[in-house]
Amino acid sequence: DAGVIQSPRHEVTEMGQEVTLRCKPISGHDYLFWYRQTMMRGLELLIYFNNNVPIDDSGMPEDRFSAKMPNASFSTLKIQPSEPRDSAVYFCASSLQGYEQYFGPGTRLTVT
Amino acid sequence: RKEVEQDPGPFNVPEGATVAFNCTYSNSASQSFFWYRQDCRKEPKLLMSVYSSGNEDGRFTAQLNRASQYISLLIRDSKLSDSATYLCVVKEWSGGYNKLIFGAGTRLAVHP
Repeated sequence: DAGVIQSPRHEVTEMGQEVTLRCKPISGHDYLFWYRQTMMRGLELLIYFNNNVPIDDSGMPEDRFSAKMPNASFSTLKIQPSEPRDSAVYFCASSLQGYEQYFGPGTRLTVT
Repeated sequence: RKEVEQDPGPFNVPEGATVAFNCTYSNSASQSFFWYRQDCRKEPKLLMSVYSSGNEDGRFTAQLNRASQYISLLIRDSKLSDSATYLCVVKEWSGGYNKLIFGAGTRLAVHP
């Protein structure tokens, strides 16, 4: 079975550029989560969706970050404009009815 | 105060040793508890749930103390392959939905 799929796996971009991260959750899962992980702050929840509806975006650091889930099989996390402090690993995870979360392999973002 | 606190380690132990990690959480209304494992440059994966009565899975034992608000993980007969970061995770009911709060992780290094 395919797990959570994320793309790209690595992204290097210059400050000020727009970055779009993509996630395909496990088929049938009704929750989708976006996390950011850094050495300094650990794993932080940015936003999560239930049945494609954003439920809690209190973890989104600022207006430069936005997330969408147009359908049950796709979500994006966009940073515009990107800054060096956004460099981190971004994980997408999905779960069924709020039980075990399955994480994707992550996108390693470097903003220079 | 962080919602979930862990000693970051690292814990350096020889093969065959027994090692224990503790984790404290601040919200007494937290519902469920888990240990996740994260290998270097990989995504977190569920290791085991933590039940009120304590539970064991092979060499791993998890315990919960609700009165003192802490969770523990005991690893017996450590293997080289146990080297990883162990994340303490607490599930909370927030705004009508389940939400996972991750600790920053405890790093374990098992050496020959």
